[in-house]
Amino acid sequence: GAVVSQHPSWVICKSGTSVKIECRSLDFQATTMFWYRQFPKQSLMLMATSNEGSKATYEQGVEKDKFLINHASLTLSTLTVTSAHPEDSSFYICSARDHGGTSYEQYFGPGTRLTVT
Amino acid sequence: AQSVAQPEDQVNVAEGNPLTVKCTYSVSGNPYLFWYVQYPNRGLQFLLKYITGDNLVKGSYGFEAEFNKSQTSFHLKKPSALVSDSALYFCAVRRGGKLIFGQGTELSVKP
Repeated sequence: GAVVSQHPSWVICKSGTSVKIECRSLDFQATTMFWYRQFPKQSLMLMATSNEGSKATYEQGVEKDKFLINHASLTLSTLTVTSAHPEDSSFYICSARDHGGTSYEQYFGPGTRLTVT
Repeated sequence: AQSVAQPEDQVNVAEGNPLTVKCTYSVSGNPYLFWYVQYPNRGLQFLLKYITGDNLVKGSYGFEAEFNKSQTSFHLKKPSALVSDSALYFCAVRRGGKLIFGQGTELSVKP
């Protein structure tokens, strides 16, 4: 089946530093990837939609200069949390849509736990 | 706005009993509905989807869901719950190419 990986699975960083999270589709090409944020025992909040070769589309209220998204290839999207602060601590999940499959299928990565101290 | 709602934050079931996790939707047109499950500190796993066709949809791990247009519901069901089914369950609707999730329901299955 389609597999999406994320790296790292968890990261601790100091306030003011930047952190990059990678999302890869391992066995399919993904023209579209999505980034979500999740607080403990809460729903997933869509942050942005990432399209290969173009700028990401951010949801209302999400700071695009704070959460930089790059989708440089059909198998890789990255989320960089710039100048991280403790309130950015969260579980970040990416998902990818299979370019070659039905347009309804969306596969999720295992998530990245970010803790900002 | 198109959305889904999960009215129960938590559902408790004894092992072997049937389980239901509720979801209602509010969409214009024909909804594309999904159920996902999330285990602690993990991503989401796809269970099943309704796009069109038969109202009863069968999915992974013995789960099924019934699309009910008159009641605008898409409840997740399983005839006999397992302790290993304990997890967080999300209903979602596809809107404008994106998945919009409900609040989530924590299912606890006790032995």
